[in-house]
Amino acid sequence: GENVEQHPSTLSVQEGDSAVIKCTYSDSASNYFPWYKQELGKGPQLIIDIRSNVGEKKDQRIAVTLNKTAKHFSLHITETQPEDSAVYFCAASKGTGGFKTIFGAGTRLFVKA
Amino acid sequence: EAEVAQSPRYKITEKSQAVAFWCDPISGHATLYWYRQILGQGPELLVQFQDESVVDDSQLPKDRFSAERLKGVDSTLKIQPAELGDSAMYLCASSLGGKRDGETQYFGPGTRLLVL
Repeated sequence: GENVEQHPSTLSVQEGDSAVIKCTYSDSASNYFPWYKQELGKGPQLIIDIRSNVGEKKDQRIAVTLNKTAKHFSLHITETQPEDSAVYFCAASKGTGGFKTIFGAGTRLFVKA
Repeated sequence: EAEVAQSPRYKITEKSQAVAFWCDPISGHATLYWYRQILGQGPELLVQFQDESVVDDSQLPKDRFSAERLKGVDSTLKIQPAELGDSAMYLCASSLGGKRDGETQYFGPGTRLLVL
C-alpha cells in the first residue's frame, strides 16, 4: 500500500525566512497531493494542493512542487510569520472522491519572532 | 462558512466502557470520513462513507469499533469496549463526493478521547 514519509519532523525558522517541508510517496498511482495545516486543538485545514498533471502551484506565500519521477513533493513557505507556526501534514491519494488518502507524520513548524 | 461539526469535543472514559462520537458533515457532502490521530502522528483513516454506504473500512477494528451513517447525512462512531490504546483524537471530515480524482476534505475540530 501507499506510504508517505515527511521530513523534517520539526523545523524552526526566524520570522521572514523561508521554510521547506519535503514528502515522498511510494505508490506511483497516487494523483492528488494536498497539504494541511493543523493548529493546536483544531482539525487539519487544507492550505494548498496539487494534482499529478501539474509540476508547481503557488498561492501567495505558499508554493508546492511535485516531481512524479522521483515521487516526491515539497511545501515552500516564504516570508514566514509567527502565525505560520503549526503542524503541517502532506498527504497522497488516488482514485476518485479522495479515496484512500494517506497522511505523512507531520512537521511541527516554529516561527520565531 | 459551512463547517463540519463534531461532538463531544472531549471525552474521558474508563476502559471497557462504551463511547460514541457524532459528526455532522457540511451540507451536500456525500463523502464522510472518520480518522484517528494519535499524538504526534498524521490522521489514519478508519472508515469512509459514500452517502450511507461504507466504501472503505479496512483499517477499522471491527471487533470493537462500529460506524453508521443511516440517512447519508450525519454519522456516529462507536467504541465498545474502549481500551487504553484507543486514547487519541478522532477526526471527522467530509468532501463533495464527486467523480474527479482527489477532493478537498474539510475536517471538523475533532473529539479528544482519553481512556483511563
